Amino acid sequence: QSALTQTASVSGSPGQSITISCTGTSSDVGGYNYVSWYQQHPGKAPKLMIYDVSNRPSGVSNRFSGSKSGNTASLTISGLQAEDEADYYCSSYTSSRVVFGGVLFGGGTKLTVL
Amino acid sequence: EVQLVESGGGLVQPGGSLRLSCAASGFTFSSYWMHWVRQAPGKGLVWVSRINSDESSTSYADSVKGRFTISRDNAKNTLYLQMNSLRAEDTAVYYCARGYRGHIPDYWGQGTLVTVSS
Repeated sequence: QSALTQTASVSGSPGQSITISCTGTSSDVGGYNYVSWYQQHPGKAPKLMIYDVSNRPSGVSNRFSGSKSGNTASLTISGLQAEDEADYYCSSYTSSRVVFGGVLFGGGTKLTVL
Repeated sequence: EVQLVESGGGLVQPGGSLRLSCAASGFTFSSYWMHWVRQAPGKGLVWVSRINSDESSTSYADSVKGRFTISRDNAKNTLYLQMNSLRAEDTAVYYCARGYRGHIPDYWGQGTLVTVSS
């Protein structure tokens, strides 16, 4: 099964806002409001930042927000901080014939804070 | 505090087998779906498998179907991944993750490295 499509890299200066996109199909991103976003620092486990397209788990900064339009979901980080520099992955529930009831991840986006 | 601790990784020859374990604590293990996700060195996250709370339903990525088996022991609060017929491309850090509302991996362990090489 194909991964969700993410831009390989994005950069921004402290204080700026950036947006990372994640494109799938009607069998995953477009078909369900079950998109999640993860932050992963080098050598660390992924951390859930957004679930159900736009919900933040307890303890996650409100600088992180999510949205979706059609088959594309987006993660926006406002007021960039140095500690935001990390890899970001989107994921979605999928009902594809190949992986029914499974999870698809995007290829990841490396965020660089200049 | 939710804790997930993976173990069982190591170096194995192509064609060999390995069983990974994930010890869970800090939550009612028997109430949650659980997932395995892997990450090859320098690469992205790839979902491997999931199991529902009472082990009645499992799902696998196409790349491991027929070779890997996910299971759980709710009495021991432990998740397993039996990996057979291992290939070089299975080399990765394997993470276990709790499934919030089933299909949302929310809490993750620190991972265990599996290296398949002769």
